[in-house]
Amino acid sequence: AQSVAQPEDQVNVAEGNPLTVKCTYSVSGNPYLFWYVQYPNRGLQFLLKYITGDNLVKGSYGFEAEFNKSQTSFHLKKPSALVSDSALYFCAVREPGNTPLVFGKGTRLSVIA
Amino acid sequence: ETGVTQSPTHLIKTRGQQVTLRCSSQSGHNTVSWYQQALGQGPQFIFQYYREEENGRGNFPPRFSGLQFPNYSSELNVNALELDDSALYLCASSPESSSYNSPLHFGNGTRLTVT
Repeated sequence: AQSVAQPEDQVNVAEGNPLTVKCTYSVSGNPYLFWYVQYPNRGLQFLLKYITGDNLVKGSYGFEAEFNKSQTSFHLKKPSALVSDSALYFCAVREPGNTPLVFGKGTRLSVIA
Repeated sequence: ETGVTQSPTHLIKTRGQQVTLRCSSQSGHNTVSWYQQALGQGPQFIFQYYREEENGRGNFPPRFSGLQFPNYSSELNVNALELDDSALYLCASSPESSSYNSPLHFGNGTRLTVT
């Protein structure tokens, strides 16, 4: 069965600095990988996905993620963090076929002015 | 384009009671999934409905049940509520059950508190 690990519960970064939120996964076969963001008392908003092709995926709000098959990782990145990026970030994976989307525990990002 | 809407936004129930949560999927979406998000955790898959039939289920007991209607709206029913059922319940829709690479579109959730 597929699984996702987000090794950091909390990431703190200064405004203007680059940010990275880590994610590793385990699947049988080729993964479909997703990043979502959750603001307080809200549902999850889709940021980006990797299905196939270029390992560097660009998404909403200036975020990007790099797929690394050998390290089974899909880290979320942004070159310059904003205070408004402070939120809870979830990595998710699903296997091809009728399988559910499986989420990690989430990483809380705090961007400090 | 209307997004995913859920009702109610908050709900307080007593242990042993039953609850029904409702979801209207995004326009054009015929697949609905329900997730439970406990405090400090990631969302956990409960089940998925496609064209009014359940076509996937996570590790949840039978007292969690659902329905999908011809207009693709959906209900989540939980019987014999337990304290551990307290969570944010998220509904998500997607355009087609077989579009496994399509992102899910989530509603804002229903916060259920069981006392």
